[in-house]
Amino acid sequence: GQQVMQIPQYQHVQEGEDFTTYCNSSTTLSNIQWYKQRPGGHPVFLIQLVKSGEVKKQKRLTFQFGEAKKNSSLHITATQTTDVGTYFCAGSTASKLTFGTGTRLQVTL
Amino acid sequence: DAGVTQSPTHLIKTRGQHVTLRCSPISGHKSVSWYQQVLGQGPQFIFQYYEKEERGRGNFPDRFSARQFPNYSSELNVNALLLGDSALYLCASSLNPTGPQPQHFGDGTRLSIL
Repeated sequence: GQQVMQIPQYQHVQEGEDFTTYCNSSTTLSNIQWYKQRPGGHPVFLIQLVKSGEVKKQKRLTFQFGEAKKNSSLHITATQTTDVGTYFCAGSTASKLTFGTGTRLQVTL
Repeated sequence: DAGVTQSPTHLIKTRGQHVTLRCSPISGHKSVSWYQQVLGQGPQFIFQYYEKEERGRGNFPDRFSARQFPNYSSELNVNALLLGDSALYLCASSLNPTGPQPQHFGDGTRLSIL
């Protein structure tokens, strides 16, 4: 079945540093979604990418979808303590989401 | 508007028992999906329901079943509970199951099996 891996598993940064998480799928994706889960919380939808090579920005967050639609990345510029959480990519089909393994981000002052 | 609501928030059961978890989707959302999230891992898809019909099923044993009601709320049932069923059970709703749809998650039910 489809597998979605993310690296790194965990990253600890100082506030103000940049952060990137990479998502790789074993199969071609029709689209990809990104979610953020705060400690003790539930996943919250961030964005969806559909087109090959697509790039979208949300303030300090930049999302990319690979040309082959098998990988994606999330880059955060100048992290803040509010960015703490686990970031998941998820490959979407008509009937389900296959979540990645997640990257846990810790930000300290 | 209320978000996705799940009940109960926490539940403790023993091996061999059964459990029913409940979910009410966002008003206007007709599709409900269930996910299991084990500590430290990403959510794993269990079921999707739309218009009271099962539209998708993940790789879970037959001990897991679900249904959707005319008001689009849903129940997840798990029989013959095992220790490994201890997890956070998340319900997510979306407008419909066709095409890529953002999933709106509830706070989940944390199930502990003793």
